[in-house]
Amino acid sequence: SQKIEQNSEALNIQEGKTATLTCNYTNYSPAYLQWYRQDPGRGPVFLLLIRENEKEKRKERLKVTFDTTLKQSLFHITASQPADSATYLCALERSQGNLIFGKGTKLSVKP
Amino acid sequence: GAGVSQSPSNKVTEKGKDVELRCDPISGHTALYWYRQSLGQGLEFLIYFQGNSAPDKSGLPSDRFSAERTGGSVSTLTIQRTQQEDSAVYLCASSPDRNTEAFFGQGTRLTVV
Repeated sequence: SQKIEQNSEALNIQEGKTATLTCNYTNYSPAYLQWYRQDPGRGPVFLLLIRENEKEKRKERLKVTFDTTLKQSLFHITASQPADSATYLCALERSQGNLIFGKGTKLSVKP
Repeated sequence: GAGVSQSPSNKVTEKGKDVELRCDPISGHTALYWYRQSLGQGLEFLIYFQGNSAPDKSGLPSDRFSAERTGGSVSTLTIQRTQQEDSAVYLCASSPDRNTEAFFGQGTRLTVV
C-alpha cells in the first residue's frame, strides 16, 4: 500500500543549528511533494513544493531536496530559531488526486 | 473571502446525534479536501472533491460519514449517529487545482459527549 513516513516524531536542536527532517514514501511515483508547518490549534500552512524534476528548492532559510530514486525528501531549516518550533508535515498527491500527509515531526528549537 | 472558512469552530454534541460541518473554500478553488486530526495525531484523509464530484471517498471511516459539495464551492461533512471516537478536529482545505498548494481552514473541533 502507499505510505508516507516521517521517521522522527520529535527533533530537539539548539538555536542556530540546522534542522533536518526526513520524509520517505513507498509505492508512489509522485509528481511533486509538499511541506507544511502546523502550530498548535491551527491548520497547516504551506511552505514549499518541489517537483520530481527538481533536485532542490530554497526559500529563505528553508531548503528541500527530492530524491525519486531513494523515494525521500529532506527538509532543512538553517540558522534555526525558537520561532521555528512547530510540527512539520510532508504531503504527496495520490493518483486519484487526493493529498495525503505524513504524521509530522515536532521540532523544538532551544535558545 | 480571504481564506478557507469553517463553521462552527467548536461543536459539542451528544452521542447519537447528527452533526453537520461546513467549509467555505477560497473562491475559484476547484479542489477541496476534508481531514480529521485527533489530539497529537497526524492528518487523516477523509474525502477529496474536484469540482462537485468526489473522485476519492476512500478515507471516510464508516457509512455514518458523508460529504457533499454544491456549486463547486461550499462543502458540508455530515456525521450521523455520532460516537465518542468521532471527537477530533475536522480540517478543510482548498487548492486552485491539483498539483498546487493547499490552503487550510482553522478547523472545527468536535466533541461527542
